[in-house]
Amino acid sequence: AQSVTQLDSQVPVFEEAPVELRCNYSSSVSVYLFWYVQYPNQGLQLLLKYLSGSTLVKGINGFEAEFNKSQTSFHLRKPSVHISDTAEYFCAVSPSGGSGNTGKLIFGQGTTLQVKP
Amino acid sequence: DSGVTQTPKHLITATGQRVTLRCSPRSGDLSVYWYQQSLDQGLQFLIQYYNGEERAKGNILERFSAQQFPDLHSELNLSSLELGDSALYFCASSVGRGPRTDTQYFGPGTRLTVL
Repeated sequence: AQSVTQLDSQVPVFEEAPVELRCNYSSSVSVYLFWYVQYPNQGLQLLLKYLSGSTLVKGINGFEAEFNKSQTSFHLRKPSVHISDTAEYFCAVSPSGGSGNTGKLIFGQGTTLQVKP
Repeated sequence: DSGVTQTPKHLITATGQRVTLRCSPRSGDLSVYWYQQSLDQGLQFLIQYYNGEERAKGNILERFSAQQFPDLHSELNLSSLELGDSALYFCASSVGRGPRTDTQYFGPGTRLTVL
């Protein structure tokens, strides 16, 4: 079984400041890792994903994340945030390989990023 | 706009009733996924269909059922509704079976309120 823990439920930050949203996961099998963003009253949008290879993954809107296998973490970072980044951010995992490769996403509880002027 | 459409946008009903939520995937996508988002449970995977066949099952209650039709649209049927079924139900679609080569695109959701 897999589980995802997002360590902060809310992260307030000032505009143009850097931000890190933390995500840890637990799984007995290999997983793919994802970050999704949900703007108010909208569906989820993929920011970035890690499948294999380089542990530093770059996504849309200037976000990047680093996969750390030893710490089972996949933290999301942005060097300078904008007001428009205010949203809910979800970390997710999906079992990889064999019968596990179904696309099923297991989500964390979400982190609300509040960017203040 | 993700290209995934969901109807209706809002649904208000009473306990014990049955409702049907509809999802039309993006053109060319063969997989459809259903997720439930509620305040206490968060975002939970319910079920996946690929080209008409059930591919994966998550925490879907026996009172809930889904199907994918030959034109690839999908319906999620919720019966004997309880107050706790009030939630936002998302549909997502992707080209293939899994995340290795494709991305899930989410619809805007159907907000279900059970009174």
